[in-house]
Amino acid sequence: DQQVKQNSPSLSVQEGRISILNCDYTNSMFDYFLWYKKYPAEGPTFLISISSIKDKNEDGRFTVFLNKSAKHLSLHIVPSQPGDSAVYFCAACPPLGNEKLTFGTGTRLTIIP
Amino acid sequence: EPEVTQTPSHQVTQMGQEVILRCVPISNHLYFYWYRQILGQKVEFLVSFYNNEISEKSEIFDDQFSVERPDGSNFTLKIRSTKLEDSAMYFCASRPGPLSNQPQHFGDGTRLSIL
Repeated sequence: DQQVKQNSPSLSVQEGRISILNCDYTNSMFDYFLWYKKYPAEGPTFLISISSIKDKNEDGRFTVFLNKSAKHLSLHIVPSQPGDSAVYFCAACPPLGNEKLTFGTGTRLTIIP
Repeated sequence: EPEVTQTPSHQVTQMGQEVILRCVPISNHLYFYWYRQILGQKVEFLVSFYNNEISEKSEIFDDQFSVERPDGSNFTLKIRSTKLEDSAMYFCASRPGPLSNQPQHFGDGTRLSIL
């Protein structure tokens, strides 16, 4: 089941620079997309989301972009901070908030001081 | 900020034994979920629960699994006869309502180790 893919298992970014994490999906029924952040020994923490009717959503240092025609979304973090070092999961769900989230495999982001 | 809490943080069980994982969802939330993550793999949906019944379950959630909301606060996942391949992190999640813009909030998980 590869409906949601994060092709970069890891990413290193200098502190203060922009971090860009990518996610691709194959299921056209997905209507809502989320990014979660996970520290070791903790559960996923909700970061930001976007509905398919939008192409951009911004919340402070975090911006999510959605390209429906390419079935691609990205998370931009700017400026990157050491506390942003974590595993980031992309997740998707079908319309009307129908139940299950389908997760990607995650990207480990390391911010270099 | 309200949290989803899970107990225990780590459970070690002999193969074939029953195990119950416990979760206390956020108090005004109505939708509850269990997910699992086998080491090195992605987070996988197991089951969703609303209005005291299962609303959706995955292929993983076979007859060995069951969920229950025994009182107004707890939400439990039971595995009747554990197998080695049940070893994983199990995450409970909850959300307030059915709208897409109400994200699921996760607990910190229970690490289940089957010997």
